[in-house]
Amino acid sequence: DTEVTQTPKHLVMGMTNKKSLKCEQHMGHRAMYWYKQKAKKPPELMFVYSYEKLSINESVPSRFSPECPNSSLLNLHLHALQPEDSALYLCASSQDHGAGNTEAFFGQGTRLTVV
Amino acid sequence: LAKTTQPVSMDSYEGQEVNITCSHNNIATNDYITWYQQFPSQGPRFIIQGYKTKVTNEVASLFIPADRKSSTLSLPRVSLSDTAVYYCLVGDTGGFKTIFGAGTRLFVKA
Repeated sequence: DTEVTQTPKHLVMGMTNKKSLKCEQHMGHRAMYWYKQKAKKPPELMFVYSYEKLSINESVPSRFSPECPNSSLLNLHLHALQPEDSALYLCASSQDHGAGNTEAFFGQGTRLTVV
Repeated sequence: LAKTTQPVSMDSYEGQEVNITCSHNNIATNDYITWYQQFPSQGPRFIIQGYKTKVTNEVASLFIPADRKSSTLSLPRVSLSDTAVYYCLVGDTGGFKTIFGAGTRLFVKA
């Protein structure tokens, strides 16, 4: 199984809502990532988890809250989002964290619309 | 982090070979060069990775000169389905980050 599965595929939420994005992989990877991608722009790194611990937080606003319950799961909790947070949110995983020759596997993304 | 520079867009025709060059002048000694492909509304997909000289797999070749300050992704005989954005990334060994550059939009025409 070489898949990274993200749910839901689409999400529409109001600015006062609380929602969560989920990501799952069963490749035994110990590094997992969240990216945000706006239309016609490259993915922007948000968070990196290494061995279930938050390793990198790229100065992301606190309305985005990541969680790594175990080595296979990664969540992104959302609350009080703004319309400009509407984007494609991508999850990725890789075998390890720290090696330059690491290949990352990406999920299909969650298309988030904040209204 | 090594910054990468790629052409914004390229056009090609079906059956042609396409070469996309990426500049990474401040690449570190331990950095690898990785290319990803992305279709609209999908996650990026790994294409190929290399450190030096030439690497070839079933979908592409990667050419890296001795100074490693650039690299060229070669796609043989492209088809319409190769229309996508191609990203060149250089590995950061100081703490792994996959930082994407602007990418190259490839349009393959019939």
